[in-house]
Amino acid sequence: EAGVAQSPRYKIIEKRQSVAFWCNPISGHATLYWYQQILGQGPKLLIQFQNNGVVDDSQLPKDRFSAERLKGVDSTLKIQPAKLEDSAVYLCASSLVGRLARADTQYFGPGTRLTVL
Amino acid sequence: AQTVTQSQPEMSVQEAETVTLSCTYDTSESDYYLFWYKQPPSRQMILVIRQEAYKQQNATENRFSVNFQKAAKSFSLKISDSQLGDAAMYFCAYRSGFQGAQKLVFGQGTRLTINP
Repeated sequence: EAGVAQSPRYKIIEKRQSVAFWCNPISGHATLYWYQQILGQGPKLLIQFQNNGVVDDSQLPKDRFSAERLKGVDSTLKIQPAKLEDSAVYLCASSLVGRLARADTQYFGPGTRLTVL
Repeated sequence: AQTVTQSQPEMSVQEAETVTLSCTYDTSESDYYLFWYKQPPSRQMILVIRQEAYKQQNATENRFSVNFQKAAKSFSLKISDSQLGDAAMYFCAYRSGFQGAQKLVFGQGTRLTINP
């Protein structure tokens, strides 16, 4: 079974530029998560999707970050415009069952390392 | 809000020895889950072990076991017979048992080095 796929693996941009990350979850997984992991810290949830609906985006900086999950499968996370403090690893994760699941495991992709200069 | 604290930024152990990583958490909930994830240099988070708060028995997965002290809000990970492949960042994580609240709250991580 294929794992969570993410691309690109690395991205370097100038501040104020825009960037987009792509995630393909494990087949059949209803729930998809985007986490931001700043160097030296644990990951922090940015947004959670259940199928193609948003469950939790309370920590997403909505003035510059946006995310979508069209058709309830793939997802893209966009930053526009980027700031220096956005330099981080962006991790995508998915889990099998949605809101009613109590014990489902989150499986993570390899992440995208973003450097903003 | 729930918080997770890992007080050991770095730990090292000799190969084949045993090491214990510490984790404490703060919550007012009675129903929750606790996890240990491993993150090697490849950056992919890998689940090591999980513990349901309602279970009194400590979870065990091969060489990995936990010491779950619910009253003390402590959740330590013990790695027995350490192997070179165990070298990685280890993150403790909390998840609410409330239906719909599935985000993981992570600690700061502990970098584990295995000395040959």
